[in-house]
Amino acid sequence: RKEVEQDPGPFNVPEGATVAFNCTYSNSASQSFFWYRQDCRKEPKLLMSVYSSGNEDGRFTAQLNRASQYISLLIRDSKLSDSATYLCVVNLNDYKLSFGAGTTVTVRA
Amino acid sequence: ETGVTQTPRHLVMGMTNKKSLKCEQHLGHNAMYWYKQSAKKPLELMFVYNFKEQTENNSVPSRFSPECPNSSHLFLHLHTLQPEDSALYLCASSQDLGPAQPQHFGDGTRLSIL
Repeated sequence: RKEVEQDPGPFNVPEGATVAFNCTYSNSASQSFFWYRQDCRKEPKLLMSVYSSGNEDGRFTAQLNRASQYISLLIRDSKLSDSATYLCVVNLNDYKLSFGAGTTVTVRA
Repeated sequence: ETGVTQTPRHLVMGMTNKKSLKCEQHLGHNAMYWYKQSAKKPLELMFVYNFKEQTENNSVPSRFSPECPNSSHLFLHLHTLQPEDSALYLCASSQDLGPAQPQHFGDGTRLSIL
């Protein structure tokens, strides 16, 4: 079983729509969780950390469900600039990050 | 963003060549990383350095040789690579190796092996 699994998508949504997707992780001892964003042929950039109680950053909402071992990302009022691949990242110990293969989101006008 | 700079951006080399990838971070971080990203696959951690000491070698073949002369610079020396080594090589840095430390990535070097 992969350490981090994501639906590759693509999720094709119109501008203004809400899109949400999950990521599952295999190690119940995982400590920290992140969403990174990677644009085509660019480097990954930290989008947001995911906290146990869930957290929002503008139009982005992240949730953590430890019992079912998944995290989610919800994007409200999608913009064209939200088109990217979203990487689920899980911290297994002090510094080793495990990356998912990414979920591709395409927002169309 | 110029926090982590990688050169070259693109590299094409033959299997018998020797080349080096360079990474420099201007963030005052203490930890640096090399990752490999192949098409449609997750990032794979290759090496980790903390205060210029190697703390992780993730079973990387010896044809990849890292060097960290100081906390701001990281090199990846390449020798007799294979076609399957073609990938995007990403350098990253973090403040330290503590938990929940976000990593900041460079633009990457896109490597093609002929």
